[in-house]
Amino acid sequence: NAGVTQTPKFRVLKTGQSMTLLCAQDMNHEYMYWYRQDPGMGLRLIHYSVGEGTTAKGEVPDGYNVSRLKKQNFLLGLESAAPSQTSVYFCASSYGPGERFFGPGTRLTVL
Amino acid sequence: SQQGEEDPQALSIQEGENATMNCSYKTSINNLQWYRQNSGRGLVHLILIRSNEREKHSGRLRVTLDTSKKSSSLLITASRAADTASYFCATDGGYTGTASKLTFGTGTRLQVTL
Repeated sequence: NAGVTQTPKFRVLKTGQSMTLLCAQDMNHEYMYWYRQDPGMGLRLIHYSVGEGTTAKGEVPDGYNVSRLKKQNFLLGLESAAPSQTSVYFCASSYGPGERFFGPGTRLTVL
Repeated sequence: SQQGEEDPQALSIQEGENATMNCSYKTSINNLQWYRQNSGRGLVHLILIRSNEREKHSGRLRVTLDTSKKSSSLLITASRAADTASYFCATDGGYTGTASKLTFGTGTRLQVTL
């Protein structure tokens, strides 16, 4: 099993550009999450999903959109990137409220 | 907003010594989890302790939870160089709406030297 995978691993964008981060899990988890990690801030929840076709806002959702068209995939979109969105993005999945399984992260720089 | 706050922010010890990290939180929880993050990698789950548990062990890890003081500690015994990583506590406050929210602290950076 690959667990949770994320693509791409690195990306540099210019302000105003758009991009989509892809997360895939092969553990048949219902719940999936997108976090961002910034220095000194810990991880903050952006959006999450409790099942195929559902999404919900987390702690810092502004500037991001998500979709969960298939149970195994969770996409995070930036429609118009801003320098404040420079961060490391982590996807995670879980069966329920317990242990989260994390992907390796995507390092995004917005110039 | 941060729920868990780890202390200390950084810890440097020698191989073979024990490492203790503390986590304090503000509101009631269903469970508290500890994660490890190696440099440049994703987080790995270490242990989960429920609000009705006081102590839990997993290999060289020992976690305690004091809900009256809203605090938890992670003890790593006989540390190894491979334990060098950042350690995060995360509090689960229970279901709010459609799912439980896991709130992470800012982490303790552990350095184990030979």
